[in-house]
Amino acid sequence: AQTVTQSQPEMSVQEAETVTLSCTYDTSESDYYLFWYKQPPSRQMILVIRQEAYKQQNATENRFSVNFQKAAKSFSLKISDSQLGDAAMYFCAPSGGFQKLVFGTGTRLLVSP
Amino acid sequence: DTGVSQNPRHKITKRGQNVTFRCDPISEHNRLYWYRQTLGQGPEFLTYFQNEAQLEKSRLLSDRFSAERPKGSFSTLEIQRTEQGDSAMYLCASSLQGAKETQYFGPGTRLLVL
Repeated sequence: AQTVTQSQPEMSVQEAETVTLSCTYDTSESDYYLFWYKQPPSRQMILVIRQEAYKQQNATENRFSVNFQKAAKSFSLKISDSQLGDAAMYFCAPSGGFQKLVFGTGTRLLVSP
Repeated sequence: DTGVSQNPRHKITKRGQNVTFRCDPISEHNRLYWYRQTLGQGPEFLTYFQNEAQLEKSRLLSDRFSAERPKGSFSTLEIQRTEQGDSAMYLCASSLQGAKETQYFGPGTRLLVL
């Protein structure tokens, strides 16, 4: 069975600063994708960034980038130039069989002015 | 692209009653997923449809739960004889097979069983 560990229940960052959220996972799948989703309070899950496991190049999406270490099964998210609107729960989720997502327990990101 | 929609957004019911939720995926998305999210936790997979075929069900999905996707379009999730432990957010997501398997989520249905 797949497992996902997000060891930081809560992280704080100041506006314009950079923060990194960590994620490690375990999977027996040979071909899979990894995702970071953001869930603002009382709002729906939004895709932040996606990484194909077969690609060595780390994905980037504007201020968001990942550090994907396949051998270590590590998939961290870096948010640069943090904004107040980045405050949310962040979930790491590799895909499993039938591409279903397996979510971690999440990291709450607090952004202060 | 109107996104994934779910109805109702909120449901309060008494223990023992049956409830049904609906999910309308993004048009042309052939894959549809149901997840359950309890307070302070990440979503947990419940079941998966490819077109109209239900291809996988989690062990979390007891006999009281049933899901359908007639004609491969919208899907319904029914919970019979609800229990207080069923209180959670029920999330629906859809994806297009081959499109980098990205799932797009609906706003969820929050269920409270009294």
